[in-house]
Amino acid sequence: EAQVTQNPRYLITVTGKKLTVTCSQNMNHEYMSWYRQDPGLGLRQIYYSMNVEVTDKGDVPEGYKVSRKEKRNFPLILESPSPNQTSLYFCASSLRATGYGYTFGSGTRLTVV
Amino acid sequence: QKEVEQDPGPLSVPEGAIVSLNCTYSNSAFQYFMWYRQYSRKGPELLMYTYSSGNKEDGRFTAQVDKSSKYISLFIRDSQPSDSATYLCAMNGNQAGTALIFGKGTTLSVSS
Repeated sequence: EAQVTQNPRYLITVTGKKLTVTCSQNMNHEYMSWYRQDPGLGLRQIYYSMNVEVTDKGDVPEGYKVSRKEKRNFPLILESPSPNQTSLYFCASSLRATGYGYTFGSGTRLTVV
Repeated sequence: QKEVEQDPGPLSVPEGAIVSLNCTYSNSAFQYFMWYRQYSRKGPELLMYTYSSGNKEDGRFTAQVDKSSKYISLFIRDSQPSDSATYLCAMNGNQAGTALIFGKGTTLSVSS
């Protein structure tokens, strides 16, 4: 089944404790992206990747890192999480950056205390 | 002015009603227009995709794009309780690296 898989689905952590949210897609998509979704603010892009080893900042990149060493994987790294990073996170992939719809993962609900 | 504006609702209709969901946008470079449906605790799923202006129909769903007015719509005919969800419009242009810009979503509730 074509899908984007995120792990974990739920995570509660403490301020400053480094964490990684994994994202993997099995559709051979070139483009991958991370979004956060907050009430009243909608979906906002954190980082994106046009292809392997090509990443760039989205609208809200502060406090996040990403890497794209393989085409299928695009992990999101929070080196020192803070409470304002409490949010619902979605990974998405697409065949290309434009002209195609995005396939989203099921989401990761992160709480930083 | 925000790039994409979408009425958040909530919108409540009886089963069988025709539903109209709308978005306006400001960036004339947008060429690709989409509607996503998001159920509670799930990721958005692509519902409709339209390139440039015009209409597209898929079963009970019709997407319309009016680029001259910078206005897009999604119509749902014979709405069902299973259509209860949040509907997000999304759009971007041709330039590589251009993010898909989302509206904030309209929450729809269809009662039986």
